[in-house]
Amino acid sequence: IQMTQSPSSVSASVGDRVTLTCQASQGVGKWVAWYQQRPGKAPDLLIHGASSLQTGVPSRFSGSGSGTEFTLTISSLHPEDFATYYCQQANSFPITFGQGTRLEI
Amino acid sequence: QVQLQESGPGLVKPSETLSLTCTVSGASISSGTFYWSWVRQPAGKGLEWIGRIDFSGSTNYVPSLRSRLTLSVDTSKNQFSLKLDSVTAADTAVYYCARADYDILTGSYAFDVWGQGTMVSVSS
Repeated sequence: IQMTQSPSSVSASVGDRVTLTCQASQGVGKWVAWYQQRPGKAPDLLIHGASSLQTGVPSRFSGSGSGTEFTLTISSLHPEDFATYYCQQANSFPITFGQGTRLEI
Repeated sequence: QVQLQESGPGLVKPSETLSLTCTVSGASISSGTFYWSWVRQPAGKGLEWIGRIDFSGSTNYVPSLRSRLTLSVDTSKNQFSLKLDSVTAADTAVYYCARADYDILTGSYAFDVWGQGTMVSVSS
């Protein structure tokens, strides 16, 4: 299953609301997770089950969607949110990631 | 607090075998509905799931690497390992080990704990 993220990169400012999109090449139910990755670091889990906020993740992050269309929304950007974001499906093997969306200042 | 730590050579010669181990601390590798995976990331590129293993040794591999890849688990040492045969420059990447938490009720399968990653270069 191919996961296609859009846009590939986006520029925004502190305080902005941003929505990132992930499209699956076939239905994946709600078996989608979102990750944030800062340069030189391992990814951090933000959202699992398409819309469940991982423990400890700020509430400005939210996820939605099912089937083939998924979104990650950051309601008000903080400086530490500028990073690369990946979606991932686990509906069927092999587990696959999107190509990433780079969020830039 | 669960922690994962990768270990292994940082440089492997072409056609040789890449071997990495992930040591789990803070939890038993045999407990819970967890799966233990490897994910790699070439420099400047995205994430690629390589394969997973559970505490019983049951495995799933990405098709593109299935012929060269072997995952194993040692519950007595709380470790799981990766061996990738006949490596080429295309296998140069940061390799991460990660724990996947699986909850069928919520439809959730996600990597909630990651190692820091280890850079492996394939070069003569």
